[in-house]
Order: sequence, then structure tokens, then C-alpha cells
Amino acid sequence: KAGVTQTPRYLIKTRGQQVTLSCSPISGHRSVSWYQQTPGQGLQFLFEYFSETQRNKGNFPGRFSGRQFSNSRSEMNVSTLELGDSALYLCASSPGTSGGQETQYFGPGTRLLVL
Amino acid sequence: QQQVKQSPQSLIVQKGGISIINCAYENTAFDYFPWYQQFPGKGPALLIAIRPDVSEKKEGRFTISFNKSAKQFSLHIMDSQPGDSATYFCAASHLWGGATNKLIFGTGTLLAVQP
Repeated sequence: KAGVTQTPRYLIKTRGQQVTLSCSPISGHRSVSWYQQTPGQGLQFLFEYFSETQRNKGNFPGRFSGRQFSNSRSEMNVSTLELGDSALYLCASSPGTSGGQETQYFGPGTRLLVL
Repeated sequence: QQQVKQSPQSLIVQKGGISIINCAYENTAFDYFPWYQQFPGKGPALLIAIRPDVSEKKEGRFTISFNKSAKQFSLHIMDSQPGDSATYFCAASHLWGGATNKLIFGTGTLLAVQP
């Protein structure tokens, strides 16, 4: 099976712009989670989607949003970018068959640089 | 109370030695403790995981030791090899009142195994 794919891999934006990142989960996986990874804060949970519904959310401002499509592909959007949003954004997929606490399979991430 | 504290921040071990990474948590609701390994340019990958009903779990050269009363758990890498050089993250979760794959990650340990 193909792994989790994320596009684009690298992105440069300026403050105030918005950005959309895409994640394609492993075929058959229905749960997609997003994490932000920075040197200072480490890996922080953004949100999780399952069957097109957000079923958990981290402590990030409303500028961060996401959605999931019927084919389980997911997108996250960050509006009004700030310098502090520069990070590696990781997507992880799980089967979604056992009610949670499943092995998560991470993609390689999208590295976002905000200038 | 949602934090997971991880130490050391970095670790240098000689080939064939034992690498030990420690994590501590406060939230007694946590009931699932995975360890993830991340190589540069890659997303994290699950290494091994444990639940509080056992005090130790071993998979090959990797062992998790769990101390429920102390709210601590650790990863031991026996016979460390240069190929083990990576960043290791401990994590914790509970079901937060419903099905979820949300993880709280430690801050990471950069392991370098010298030949």
C-alpha cells in the first residue's frame, strides 16, 4: 500500500496570506489527524477527522481549520499567516476501525515558511 | 496536566551500548503510551507501545518499562546501532470522552549512536 502523501512538500508564504495543505491517507484509512512540529513546541495536535467529521481539536486559534472529504482525503487551512506559523505540518492516518488509540502512520510533512 | 515531559533532550551512546530515554506524565487518565521514531526528512513512525496493565513490553532490541505509581515510562534500546540514530518521541493518550487518535507528545530526544 502507498503511504500517507502530503502536498506540497515545501511552501513559502508571507504574513497575512492564507495556505491550504493537502493529505491523502493510506487507502482504506478513515481517520486523519494533523500535527504541527516546531523546534520550540515539538509535536502538537491540531485536529482529527473521521468520516468527514472533526472528532477532536487541539488548542490552536480559529485561523487553523480543516476538513475531510468523502474519500478520506483531508485539507487544512491556515488563514492570516503569522511568522510563528512556520513549521512542519504532519498528517497521520489510521484505520478508524477500533474506536481510537490506533497506530498512526505519518506522512513526510509539509514544511511551511512564513516570511 | 496534559503535558508529557521527556528527557534527556539529546543522548550520545557508543555502538553496542544501551540507550535510555525517560518520560513522565501527570494526567492519570492516560492509558496508552506509544513511542515514535523520526529520521530527518521523514514523519514519525511507531516503534512500540504499552498500556498500563503491563510493566514492561519488549520488541526485539526495544523495551518499554512502565511505572504506573510513579507515572513514568522509559524506552530502552539494547545493543544500540548507528542506524538507531534518530529523534525519539514518547506520547500519551486517553479517549478524551470518545473515540480519538489524539496524542500528546513529549519534546523529543535526539539520539546519536557513535560507531
